Amino acid sequence: GESVGLHLPTLSVQEGDNSIINCAYSNSASDYFIWYKQESGKGPQFIIDIRSNMDKRQGQRVTVLLNKTVKHLSLQIAATQPGDSAVYFCAETLGTSGTYKYIFGTGTRLKVLA
Amino acid sequence: GAGVSQSPSNKVTEKGKDVELRCDPISGHTALYWYRQSLGQGLEFLIYFQGNSAPDKSGLPSDRFSAERTGGSVSTLTIQRTQQEDSAVYLCASSSRQGAYGYTFGSGTRLTVV
Repeated sequence: GESVGLHLPTLSVQEGDNSIINCAYSNSASDYFIWYKQESGKGPQFIIDIRSNMDKRQGQRVTVLLNKTVKHLSLQIAATQPGDSAVYFCAETLGTSGTYKYIFGTGTRLKVLA
Repeated sequence: GAGVSQSPSNKVTEKGKDVELRCDPISGHTALYWYRQSLGQGLEFLIYFQGNSAPDKSGLPSDRFSAERTGGSVSTLTIQRTQQEDSAVYLCASSSRQGAYGYTFGSGTRLTVV
């Protein structure tokens, strides 16, 4: 069945280092992907997105990479800060389906060590 | 409003009771989604509204779950005869373009069934 998963449930990084969070997706037809950040007690917050016609997209301190060949998505956070500590979810959808129903992974907890 | 508002933020109910969870989407957002997040799990799709109609309710776990949306705005998720397995955070999200470019999530309602 369709699924979105993450390789690492918890990632600990030193403050100032770069973080890489990985995600595998199974639906090769998915054409739109989003990374969300969820802090404790809050709803998920949009970080960055990428469409299937791209392989890289950069934001402020974040970069998303998409490898359609192996159906892999990654989120890179540069110079990780304490405020980056949260759970990160990748989500996929088939935009042409019209409903934009997203499939979310179980999440990776990022812990930033001082 | 400025964001998606959900109420109550926390709800403790006895097994067998009915509960109603409310979502106020961002003004003007035509698409509204309900997701469920169990402890340590990803987000599970429940139902999608476009206006007042629900083209996709495939994620509702059982007939104890129902949802409605009125005036193209406020939505209510009702769970009848609650069970302990219903305990989770129920998240509502809205979007101006059927979820294109992602959703804006509310902070959720934490439901605990005792």
